[in-house]
Amino acid sequence: SYVLTQPPSVSVAPGQTARITCGGNNIGDYSVHWYQQKPGQAPVLVVYDESDRPSGIPERVSGSNSGNTATLTISRVEAGDEADYYCQLWDSSTELVIFGGGTKLTVL
Amino acid sequence: VQLVESGGGVVQPGGSLRLSCATSGITFSRSGMHWVRQAPGKGLEWVAFIRDDGSDKYYVDSVKGRFTISRDNSKNTLYLQMNSLRGEDTAVYYCAKGGGGDYDRRILDYWGQGALVTVSS
Repeated sequence: SYVLTQPPSVSVAPGQTARITCGGNNIGDYSVHWYQQKPGQAPVLVVYDESDRPSGIPERVSGSNSGNTATLTISRVEAGDEADYYCQLWDSSTELVIFGGGTKLTVL
Repeated sequence: VQLVESGGGVVQPGGSLRLSCATSGITFSRSGMHWVRQAPGKGLEWVAFIRDDGSDKYYVDSVKGRFTISRDNSKNTLYLQMNSLRGEDTAVYYCAKGGGGDYDRRILDYWGQGALVTVSS
């Protein structure tokens, strides 16, 4: 089945830009979505269809997708952005929802 | 929007448990619904999906034949019947609403707070 690969961790200083990658075979052909999960809380959808944001998600959160890599970008990182982030897609060939392994974002 | 899971607990290997997810603030009868689980300290794993009218159901291979997703649109409630439970089924189980229309199976736009299921002797 389709596999999504994320780095286990990313660290960034406050005010800097965090980039979290999600790798997959020709992932650019898929619609990729991103979720944020803070400790002890349920996941929250933060980006869908590569780069669209649900209401309430700030503009400094954005996404892109091309080739074999999708990327979640968080600009002007704040302490409150510290969380686990998961990429996700729907594989129409298997009719399965696939999640990446998750990336822990640490704000230094 | 509120999704509230219940029915979690401790069960012995080989046992059964039924989770419920009571919803409010959504048009449940028009919403595809998912179950997703997260083992302790691990990532998210999608478990199952059911269409708004219950006509189609999809499962991850590891639970096929053991778990059954169902719904009662008159009660705005989603269920997950779990049989033949194993240690590797230990996890927090989340219900989540599909994104609506063509997005129902593709996006999970609202999530409950989860119910912990522990399979242990």
